[in-house]
Amino acid sequence: QSVLTQPPSVSAAPGQRVTISCSGSSSNIGGHYVSWYQQLPGTAPKLLIYDNDKRPSGIPDRFSGSKSGTSATLGITGLQTGDEAEYYCGTWDSSLDSFVFGTGTKVTVL
Amino acid sequence: EVQLVQSGPEVKKPGESLSISCQASGYGFTSNWINWVRQMPGKGLEWMGRIDPSDSHVEYSPSFQGHVTISSDTSISTAYLHWSTLKASDTAIYYCARRRFGSGSLDSWGQGTLVTVSS
Repeated sequence: QSVLTQPPSVSAAPGQRVTISCSGSSSNIGGHYVSWYQQLPGTAPKLLIYDNDKRPSGIPDRFSGSKSGTSATLGITGLQTGDEAEYYCGTWDSSLDSFVFGTGTKVTVL
Repeated sequence: EVQLVQSGPEVKKPGESLSISCQASGYGFTSNWINWVRQMPGKGLEWMGRIDPSDSHVEYSPSFQGHVTISSDTSISTAYLHWSTLKASDTAIYYCARRRFGSGSLDSWGQGTLVTVSS
């Protein structure tokens, strides 16, 4: 049972925008940086966003991250069929002394 | 180019022991923590623990403490995940991932090792 809650699924048409929420508490999101990961079917996760809103080199600016209080959000604009994947948020939890992942959100391009 | 290359798939019986490996290249192995992450069939990501290769300091998730051992060998830039007694419930894909320097994020991932435990 993850301490970070994400919606199970979101969907939109190609070219549209989707947002994925990640809800936590003061011991995790509220006090630590959030990162986001994309897992394409059958592959390893890949870092999309680190330190709340920074993109590693090679990640297009269609992907964005933000954090407010105990929640974080991943945004994807100009949705493409290649964006169909599972997306996870992650952060440190001071109460658990563990890194924690969100429950995961499946993005479907209609 | 940073690469984490994991050992191949394993099929084991309950009660057996197992070590899987994660060999790093393309950066200074002792500069970044290596994490291990479990993904059970059809499920999400679970953080198991991490090791600082510079001093072999290990931190475990309470959920995995006592059931697995994480270690590293700096001479061959390799981290290990070890079970002394496997259970059927250990069947999963295991990923190693490098912690980004100065950040809590996991910026490079191995390809994953599928471990199947079945009698």
